[in-house]
Amino acid sequence: DTAVSQTPKYLVTQMGNDKSIKCEQNLGHDTMYWYKQDSKKFLKIMFSYNNKELIINETVPNRFSPKSPDKAHLNLHINSLELGDSAVYFCASSQELWRGKAEAFFGQGTRLTVV
Amino acid sequence: AQTVTQSQPEMSVQEAETVTLSCTYDTSESDYYLFWYKQPPSRQMILVIRQEAYKQQNATENRFSVNFQKAAKSFSLKISDSQLGDAAMYFCAYRSRGGADGLTFGKGTHLIIQP
Repeated sequence: DTAVSQTPKYLVTQMGNDKSIKCEQNLGHDTMYWYKQDSKKFLKIMFSYNNKELIINETVPNRFSPKSPDKAHLNLHINSLELGDSAVYFCASSQELWRGKAEAFFGQGTRLTVV
Repeated sequence: AQTVTQSQPEMSVQEAETVTLSCTYDTSESDYYLFWYKQPPSRQMILVIRQEAYKQQNATENRFSVNFQKAAKSFSLKISDSQLGDAAMYFCAYRSRGGADGLTFGKGTHLIIQP
């Protein structure tokens, strides 16, 4: 069973479109994240979210909005896509730190290409 | 804010030899977690090893071990008996003990294994 799964794996779209990436985890974790990996492979957190709180990275444009229908799902919606949004987007999840292990488990990534 | 620095963009090692990847970090916190993640060409992010800052003993996982120097804020990864399957990008990452800030990553080291 896949622990963290995200769909689609590849997404090619035109500038100006709106798109969503879906993420689901079956690990029972309380916290989920979105990370962006740019063309130089640099990984940077965009959002973290648990049941109670959404933490927004201030450098993320407000065209990006996470939506969490329940604890196991965290989707990423992107409005008015721009060429610079082309990247690999990773969903991840982790336990509450008091439960012990602090590592994040990652999905397979979604390669978004804006043309 | 925490920062993580990997000063080696690329490293090369002969198969069966030992290689050490460097990582330094900057933080004002006393309790935190450090990780090494591997990203092969498949792009999946795979946890290699974790270290809790309050533990003085260096973590080991089979052929992978770390040299954690808390005072120097250094966290290097040693790979013994390198195998072709170890070829990948390796990322050093930091996580605070408190909050849901997620992982802060270094820029990565591309490891090449020479047959």
